[in-house]
Amino acid sequence: NAGVTQTPKFQVLKTGQSMTLQCAQDMNHNSMYWYRQDPGMGLRLIYYSASEGTTDKGEVPNGYNVSRLNKREFSLRLESAAPSQTSVYFCASNPGGRAFLTETQYFGPGTRLLVL
Amino acid sequence: AQKITQTQPGMFVQEKEAVTLDCTYDTSDQSYGLFWYKQPSSGEMIFLIYQGSYDEQNATEGRYSLNFQKARKSANLVISASQLGDSAMYFCAMRPPGDNFNKFYFGSGTKLNVKP
Repeated sequence: NAGVTQTPKFQVLKTGQSMTLQCAQDMNHNSMYWYRQDPGMGLRLIYYSASEGTTDKGEVPNGYNVSRLNKREFSLRLESAAPSQTSVYFCASNPGGRAFLTETQYFGPGTRLLVL
Repeated sequence: AQKITQTQPGMFVQEKEAVTLDCTYDTSDQSYGLFWYKQPSSGEMIFLIYQGSYDEQNATEGRYSLNFQKARKSANLVISASQLGDSAMYFCAMRPPGDNFNKFYFGSGTKLNVKP
């Protein structure tokens, strides 16, 4: 059981370049999330997908797009990277639904992104 | 957005002593879930403990316990008998009720250093 996997682990971009961060989970979870972690600010929700076929904005969606490709995969795209998007990005999943309110999120190992 | 506050950016504790990490939250809802996570220097997010707002007893998991005071809107994590391996960042998170139940809100974290 791999849990939540993310690729790549580390990426350097130049300002204006685009890239897609990939996330996959093998726990048959309905809900998936993208967070960014910056020093002193904890984790901030970028986008989430409550279930296959739906996506919603979180606290800091500007500059990002997401795709819930299927139940397993949830990708995050930076169309035109900016230095302010330098961060560590975490993908997470959760069973989803009101029957699982006590269930934690399960996190991937993170992607370190540096935008020059 | 719900607000989670962790007022201690950094803390030191002597090995084998107990330590309390503070977490307060701001919500007008009566039903919600509170989670604590540990993030060691390796970067992964590890779930520690969960407390539901209607749970009558404080949650415990091994050396971790939650001092939950609903009226004060606080959910402090208590680590008993600290070990060197407890040195890490600790995050408090809340899952709100209602239509936002799929969202998790995180505090800014507390960095705990355990001294030998």
